[in-house]
Amino acid sequence: QVTLRESGPALVKPTQTLTLTCTFSGFSLSTSGMCVSWIRQPPGKALEWLARIDWDDDKYYSTSLKTRLTISKDTSKNQVVLTMTNMDPVDTATYYCAGFGPYYFDYWGQGTLVTVSS
Amino acid sequence: QSVLTQPPSASGTPGQRVTISCSGSSSNIGSNYVYWYQQLPGTAPKLLIYRNNQRPSGVPDRFSGSKSGTSASLAISGLRSEDEADYYCAAWDDSLSGQVFGGGTKLTVL
Repeated sequence: QVTLRESGPALVKPTQTLTLTCTFSGFSLSTSGMCVSWIRQPPGKALEWLARIDWDDDKYYSTSLKTRLTISKDTSKNQVVLTMTNMDPVDTATYYCAGFGPYYFDYWGQGTLVTVSS
Repeated sequence: QSVLTQPPSASGTPGQRVTISCSGSSSNIGSNYVYWYQQLPGTAPKLLIYRNNQRPSGVPDRFSGSKSGTSASLAISGLRSEDEADYYCAAWDDSLSGQVFGGGTKLTVL
């Protein structure tokens, strides 16, 4: 059974750095073809892809947020960490992590709501 | 503004067939697979269609996907009340080296 769970602060202040952890089970990020992405969704708005890390440690970032994002993995702990610097109220959103692989391997966490407010 | 363009809304009555379009460019839909997601209120997106027109196991055959050039479509036949949800298309974009989503289409079953 594949599961992913996002964890991190529910509330951050403007200018602070957000650190989110995705803890997963049921697959290994050391397996060829696997990757984990972070996607966010502001309240009432569309999905926005943020970053992806591949099994071979290749990393990809949203061009509009690239300077603020860092994605990393700890294969031994089955965790992927996303940091986003200089948080702003417009970054208020539900943040999802999702595991992807060959064919229709496509699993999402339940999401975690992060509110940016002073 | 989303890279992939979807109509903001669509509607139909039970039993009808509805189609949702997704327009992109040569760097995304034109050269990569299209994926479709269904998002029910308060839940994470669920994969409906992968690789343009393939259904994961468990997805009813009422859902079908197609792609032509730089556009794609999701068709839902035999519309049911439980199909009322937001639908998103997605694809990899070679120019951006990132995944892109459509702006989402809210489907209402009248």
